[in-house]
Amino acid sequence: NAGVTQTPKFRILKIGQSMTLQCTQDMNHNYMYWYRQDPGMGLKLIYYSVGAGITDKGEVPNGYNVSRSTTEDFPLRLELAAPSQTSVYFCASTVVSGNTIYFGEGSWLTVV
Amino acid sequence: GENVEQHPSTLSVQEGDSAVIKCTYSDSASNYFPWYKQELGKGPQLIIDIRSNVGEKKDQRIAVTLNKTAKHFSLHITETQPEDSAVYFCAAIWADNYGQNFVFGPGTRLSVLP
Repeated sequence: NAGVTQTPKFRILKIGQSMTLQCTQDMNHNYMYWYRQDPGMGLKLIYYSVGAGITDKGEVPNGYNVSRSTTEDFPLRLELAAPSQTSVYFCASTVVSGNTIYFGEGSWLTVV
Repeated sequence: GENVEQHPSTLSVQEGDSAVIKCTYSDSASNYFPWYKQELGKGPQLIIDIRSNVGEKKDQRIAVTLNKTAKHFSLHITETQPEDSAVYFCAAIWADNYGQNFVFGPGTRLSVLP
């Protein structure tokens, strides 16, 4: 029972570097999401996707990009890392409206 | 759009006591209200949920109540144990022609003191 899998778990980036956070789910879920969670704060939606080939911006999309070429995968790309992007990133997925949202274990990113 | 408020932001209780966390929402179209528990260093995990056609749901020591008229729902934990210490998030979810929408509350940090 893999569920939602995120990699890497931890990463330190230098300012200006780029990286991709990987997210994959094996539940055939249509909806996938990327959230960031700053220390002591709630979840803020970065991007979401309602199916392969369809993505849309959330509350805080600046500095990020996503793609959804398959149902399973929803990678999050940081092009020019900034200290403000130091956060914990959670990927999540769900089937259809009103169903349980499953979260990954999180990716801890530090930009120095 | 939907707005979800959650209170209190922090809560400390003695082991064995009850804990109550309350959330209010603004959009009457919301019809599904899950609660998530996030332990340190982990992702949020669903612990209980309630749909708008139900007023109360219970699962062992955890219960959720929903007041649709007042637009609020609450998480009740009885006989608290140290392992209940975590951050709890509520959420309000609704569907429209464009798909599913959900908004999380800001979270409550619960500490159960032995």
